[in-house]
Amino acid sequence: DAGVTQSPTHLIKTRGQQVTLRCSPKSGHDTVSWYQQALGQGPQFIFQYYEEEERQRGNFPDRFSGHQFPNYSSELNVNALLLGDSALYLCASSPDFGRGLQETQYFGPGTRLLVL
Amino acid sequence: DAKTTQPPSMDCAEGRAANLPCNHSTISGNEYVYWYRQIHSQGPQYIIHGLKNNETNEMASLIITEDRKSSTLILPHATLRDTAVYYCIVRVETYSTLTFGKGTMLLVSP
Repeated sequence: DAGVTQSPTHLIKTRGQQVTLRCSPKSGHDTVSWYQQALGQGPQFIFQYYEEEERQRGNFPDRFSGHQFPNYSSELNVNALLLGDSALYLCASSPDFGRGLQETQYFGPGTRLLVL
Repeated sequence: DAKTTQPPSMDCAEGRAANLPCNHSTISGNEYVYWYRQIHSQGPQYIIHGLKNNETNEMASLIITEDRKSSTLILPHATLRDTAVYYCIVRVETYSTLTFGKGTMLLVSP
């Protein structure tokens, strides 16, 4: 059973460019969350997708956008890249059991983005 | 979600038990305690979670004090591969996000 997969593993972009990162959730999971992890810091929540809609969003600008497809896979798009966007981008998937039941998020290996 | 406090670093000898503490004195009755770890440059790995009872799985044990204001993650026989940053997270409800602090850097030495 494949876990959460992400592509690409590494990426180098220049300031002002746009980037798309991809995530395939663990089998049986329908919810995808994205996190940004700067060097030396813990991951920070960007947004969460469920049923192809953004369900929650963290404190990130509109340059960060996402999408979820009918097969539950997801993309994270970042426009007008800044040097400060250099980070490890993590995708986590979880099943939706319905409100009131705890579900566990499982993380992928991440995509390391370097903005020059 | 309640805030957690963890020591920035800990050392453990290989083969010994590693006991990682976490304080969450403002935890509410419906908040769960989660533990994740992150080995260098990899994605966080789920370890265990609990509400008020002690929990054990194949990776670790979680001991939560009766007043729920603190907890301890126990790795019974630490190996070099357990060297990682360990995050203690308090999470209130379904759909709530994971709020990571800086965690505890556990170094297991031969």
